[in-house]
Amino acid sequence: KQEVTQIPAALSVPEGENLVLNCSFTDSAIYNLQWFRQDPGKGLTSLLLIQSSQREQTSGRLNASLDKSSGRSTLYIAASQPGDSATYLCAVTRGTGRTYKYIFGTGTRLKVLA
Amino acid sequence: GAVVSQHPSRVICKSGTSVKIECRSLDFQATTMFWYRQFPKQSLMLMATSNEGSKATYEQGVEKDKFLINHASLTLSTLTVTSAHPEDSSFYICSARGMLGTDTQYFGPGTRLTVL
Repeated sequence: KQEVTQIPAALSVPEGENLVLNCSFTDSAIYNLQWFRQDPGKGLTSLLLIQSSQREQTSGRLNASLDKSSGRSTLYIAASQPGDSATYLCAVTRGTGRTYKYIFGTGTRLKVLA
Repeated sequence: GAVVSQHPSRVICKSGTSVKIECRSLDFQATTMFWYRQFPKQSLMLMATSNEGSKATYEQGVEKDKFLINHASLTLSTLTVTSAHPEDSSFYICSARGMLGTDTQYFGPGTRLTVL
């Protein structure tokens, strides 16, 4: 059974710091991995999608890496800002066609202090 | 980009009543929709996968008679919580996957259900 874990569970940092959020998964047979942001009481905003054949993706101040063999992904946030405060979720996908589905991690609650 | 809406955004109901939540893909056709629930400070847990025109596939431990899912068209799926109880209070989020079979799911904004 695939299990997805995120460390740390919560993080509070001063503005301007560079951050690394970790995601680990137990079964390396994934289709792809995606990072999301969730603001309190809101739905999900997709940040980065990494195909299983890729090793990293970048968007602005965000960089996500994927190491399938070790079952790990990291989300790097450069020069953090108070507006980055949210819960960050990683999710792996498995299966194809009608068996395709996401399995979400436990989340990291980030607070960036002004 | 692809947009998924949910209605209502919030609902409060009395114990024993049924509540219907709608999930719509606004600018694309979704062959597959997914329903998740999320308890406070916890992650999303997949409840069921809904394919247009066929019965939903429920995850282990999810009661299909309690959580009725209908995916009657390529743009609409509904989740009905029957005989709701306080323990059903949760945040319900749907997502939709397009016909082209792309890897991305597009998520709705969620529905907060409170059962009194």
